[in-house]
This record gives sequence, C-alpha cells and structure tokens, in this order.
Amino acid sequence: GAGVSQSPSNKVTEKGKDVELRCDPISGHTALYWYRQRLGQGLEFLIYFQGNSAPDKSGLPSDRFSAERTGESVSTLTIQRTQQEDSAVYLCASSLRRQDYEQYFGPGTRLTVT
Amino acid sequence: QKEVEQDPGPLSVPEGAIVSLNCTYSNSAFQYFMWYRQYSRKGPELLMYTYSSGNKEDGRFTAQVDKSSKYISLFIRDSQPSDSATYLCAGGYGNNRLAFGKGNQVVVIP
Repeated sequence: GAGVSQSPSNKVTEKGKDVELRCDPISGHTALYWYRQRLGQGLEFLIYFQGNSAPDKSGLPSDRFSAERTGESVSTLTIQRTQQEDSAVYLCASSLRRQDYEQYFGPGTRLTVT
Repeated sequence: QKEVEQDPGPLSVPEGAIVSLNCTYSNSAFQYFMWYRQYSRKGPELLMYTYSSGNKEDGRFTAQVDKSSKYISLFIRDSQPSDSATYLCAGGYGNNRLAFGKGNQVVVIP
C-alpha cells in the first residue's frame, strides 16, 4: 500500500518568507508526527497529532512554527519568516494508533533558506 | 545531556563482516527501542523494534537492549554493500515521543 508522502520534496526560499510543508499519512494511521533533521544531527521531535486530541506541540522551536491536521488525514507544517537556521530536512511519520511506536516515515522535505 | 547518544562514525567494514553499532541512553523511563535505517536522501525506515531488555533477531539483524546499563546494540551479520546507510537508534515511552541518536554512517566495502 501507499506509504507516507510529503510535498514538496525540495524547497528553496528566501529568508523572511513563509513556507508550508505537506504530509499525507498512511491511510488509517491515527497518529502523525513531524521531525526536523539538521545536517549531521539526529531527528528532532517537533509536534505530534493523535486523532482529535489536542496536539503535543512541545517540540516546536519557536512561535514561527505551527502545524495543523484535519481529522486523521493531511497535515501541514508552516514556518513563518524563515531563518537560515531553519534549513533542514523536515520528516513526517505516522503510526497506526496511540502508543504504537512503529512510526513510518515519509521521504522528507529538504528546506533551504537562502 | 542528550537522551540518546550515538557515535556518528563513519564505520567502514569489508563485505561479509559483522557490523556492530551501539547507543547509550539516559532516560530510565524508556521502554521501547528502535533501530531505523536511512539511505541517503530518503526517510528513515524501521528496521528493528524491541520492548524492554533482551534480544531480538530478524534475519541477519540482531538488536539487543540492556536496560541495566542503558545500552542499545545492533548487529548486522554477513554485511552487504546494500547495508551501506545511516543507522539511527531511538528510545521512547508512554508519550509516543521518540528520542533519536545522531545516526551512525556505515559503509560496506565490496
């Protein structure tokens, strides 16, 4: 079946612009996660959605970052007023249900802020 | 201190050798431990998943968890050039948040 998909695969933007990244989870997966992977670094948790519960936003690095998810489908991660330190690969993952640690990752969006 | 520490390598081995990868973690609450494999410019893919202490084997791959020493290991037997990738260890507990190590780059030389 189809895996997690993300778009765009690459995004180059100028400093100060807003960007929106999209994630389509695996159908039927209720949990969705966003991570950031900077060059040479491990994955950094950003935000977690589980069904209709309030999202866990504790990993968002600043108020320039926000994310939404409609029901158990698509999610968008928005970065406002991008900075060069936002350059990274943004990865989305989904899992079947709450407390299911088998997270399946998408290919990521490579964001470059110039 | 990061919750999961992993030596980024790189680690180069000849084809057919055993690859040994290790991580340490600091959070005693971790109950779940994962190894992900990530090829260049791809998303991580789940390789092994273990709960609590013990060993788990899947084909050429063996994952070990020692909770008393907070040590996670992955062994790859009969390594192949296709095993060349970055291997990420991770730990988690009841809140679904996984903490990842930096990843260990492995190169298997034909």
